[in-house]
Amino acid sequence: SAVISQKPSRDICQRGTSLTIQCQVDSQVTMMFWYRQQPGQSLTLIATANQGSEATYESGFVIDKFPISRPNLTFSTLTVSNMSPEDSSIYLCSVIWGTEGYTFGSGTRLTVV
Amino acid sequence: ILNVEQSPQSLHVQEGDSTNFTCSFPSSNFYALHWYRWETAKSPEALFVMTLNGDEKKKGRISATLNTKEGYSYLYIKGSQPEDSATYLCAFHTNAGKSTFGDGTTLTVKP
Repeated sequence: SAVISQKPSRDICQRGTSLTIQCQVDSQVTMMFWYRQQPGQSLTLIATANQGSEATYESGFVIDKFPISRPNLTFSTLTVSNMSPEDSSIYLCSVIWGTEGYTFGSGTRLTVV
Repeated sequence: ILNVEQSPQSLHVQEGDSTNFTCSFPSSNFYALHWYRWETAKSPEALFVMTLNGDEKKKGRISATLNTKEGYSYLYIKGSQPEDSATYLCAFHTNAGKSTFGDGTTLTVKP
């Protein structure tokens, strides 16, 4: 299966600032997915990042708030912009690897103060 | 919005107990049902990918069944161990490419 390196693993940020999360995959993949888990809630898909085209955002998520880059088939970044305490969550990147289901990064635990 | 429900929300058992929990999902547009284990401070780990009605899969002491006609899947853990303590997530995938995760069942196994 694919191995994903995600960083930072955790951060505490001031409101109004931005944080960029990086994911590096050890294999080339067409699609990378960005998820968020807010406290007490389920994993929610933010967007799908495709190499060579703009990311596809789910309902309730917009590019200005969560800009995504996908410069090649092994790397993607998600930026959480103009943060507020409501953005405090675990952010995960993932890929689908064959028939094995999703492989996830180790997660970024973000606290906005 | 697809309704994927997991029950119970949390479960506390003694070491050696067997346990099971449920994932309910829509019975239409089914493509696949995934189970994941998510331990604290780690990333979710895929346990099972289930695609056919009546599927039964097993990995060590953990097994899962699937009923796509009535829209449910059970996850069973036989002889629970403290290292089984984790949140177990199911994810429902439609044939239109949409995925929805349940809220998870958090299992705590006491030695």
